[in-house]
Amino acid sequence: GENVEQHPSTLSVQEGDSAVIKCTYSDSASNYFPWYKQELGKRPQLIIDIRSNVGEKKDQRIAVTLNKTAKHFSLHITETQPEDSAVYFCAASKNTGNQFYFGTGTSLTVIP
Amino acid sequence: DTGVSQDPRHKITKRGQNVTFRCDPISEHNRLYWYRQTLGQGPEFLTYFQNEAQLEKSRLLSDRFSAERPKGSFSTLEIQRTEQGDSAMYLCASSRGGWRGGSYEQYFGPGTRLTVT
Repeated sequence: GENVEQHPSTLSVQEGDSAVIKCTYSDSASNYFPWYKQELGKRPQLIIDIRSNVGEKKDQRIAVTLNKTAKHFSLHITETQPEDSAVYFCAASKNTGNQFYFGTGTSLTVIP
Repeated sequence: DTGVSQDPRHKITKRGQNVTFRCDPISEHNRLYWYRQTLGQGPEFLTYFQNEAQLEKSRLLSDRFSAERPKGSFSTLEIQRTEQGDSAMYLCASSRGGWRGGSYEQYFGPGTRLTVT
């Protein structure tokens, strides 16, 4: 089965700095890679996703890059704000979103 | 509220008892997923339905776990003979299925927190 690894497990940045979270996956057949944000005590919510036919996708301060050859993808948050503080999960899926395999999460703290 | 709902939100049970959880997905969503999440970990896939058909089931899911979605709407997850290791947050999610609107976005419910004593 698929194995998704996520690093770092914790990340602290100063407000306004950038944050980068990296994930690797093992199954080359995976073709859909979402990122979820989970605030304390709340449900995970999708913040951005990318399909394997695209190398990069951007939505305001958030971007995701995908390297299919190396089987890794990354989340980039620019101009971080305190409300960006949360746990972020990457995930990988194949076969049009049947099974989703999540990483272990990155706890991001943005220091005002 | 038109989001995904789960019931109950919390369940405390004694080891060996059976428990059943319910998930009501967003009404137009045909895909429904069950996950288990423990502290400090990402959601762990358990099973998923396309309408009423259970199409995928994790190898991690023991025979004590069973899920149903009889009419393709709400779903139930039953755990028989609960063990302390079953203590976790059980999350349900739903999606439209297929690449509509450019995403396979899953919408998660609030979860059911199970504590086995």
